[in-house]
Amino acid sequence: DTGVSQDPRHKITKRGQNVTFRCDPISEHNRLYWYRQTLGQGPEFLTYFQNEAQLEKSRLLSDRFSAERPKGSFSTLEIQRTEQGDSAMYLCASSLGTNRNEKLFFGSGTQLSVL
Amino acid sequence: GNSVTQMEGPVTLSEEAFLTINCTYTATGYPSLFWYVQYPGEGLQLLLKATKADDKGSNKGFEATYRKETTSFHLEKGSVQVSDSAVYFCALSDSSYKLIFGSGTRLLVRP
Repeated sequence: DTGVSQDPRHKITKRGQNVTFRCDPISEHNRLYWYRQTLGQGPEFLTYFQNEAQLEKSRLLSDRFSAERPKGSFSTLEIQRTEQGDSAMYLCASSLGTNRNEKLFFGSGTQLSVL
Repeated sequence: GNSVTQMEGPVTLSEEAFLTINCTYTATGYPSLFWYVQYPGEGLQLLLKATKADDKGSNKGFEATYRKETTSFHLEKGSVQVSDSAVYFCALSDSSYKLIFGSGTRLLVRP
């Protein structure tokens, strides 16, 4: 169990550029979640996958955001035409996906700064 | 919609003091309740959970009881240590398994 890994740890970009983040969940975990966390706030749900299927998207996920999980393994989160308001920590988490009482395992996150 | 409200921090205590961090929730149905902790420089990790009314979750000296009548899940510890300094998040899991978090409470324990 190597844990959930996210890449990159930090990303600085200029407004209007596109960025892509990667998440590698714990192997055999069926569920994968993306959250966004701003300073002084709790994580806000963005979207989640059950294997390769994206089952729910938050209203926070505008059409500039897209997430994929090809083959039910790693996942990518892309933000197009970044805005300063997109600056945040983007967290990925995974779980077995068997019931709602189970533990989520979180990665260390990708800190995005939009200049 | 479902939501979680936590007391604002920071909470500053001396070592060996008693800790309470308040958490209340709004939810339809019967959610599961969790406390996650974020130590400095580390990712979020599960501290404890309770899955039904009157359940008590406990771990590392921390406890929280699922109170349906008051829709609360307050975190307590009898004697805090400097190493408990962290940000604590209360959360609920709804019918779609996703976690909904509160805004977090920072705890600072002084020696």
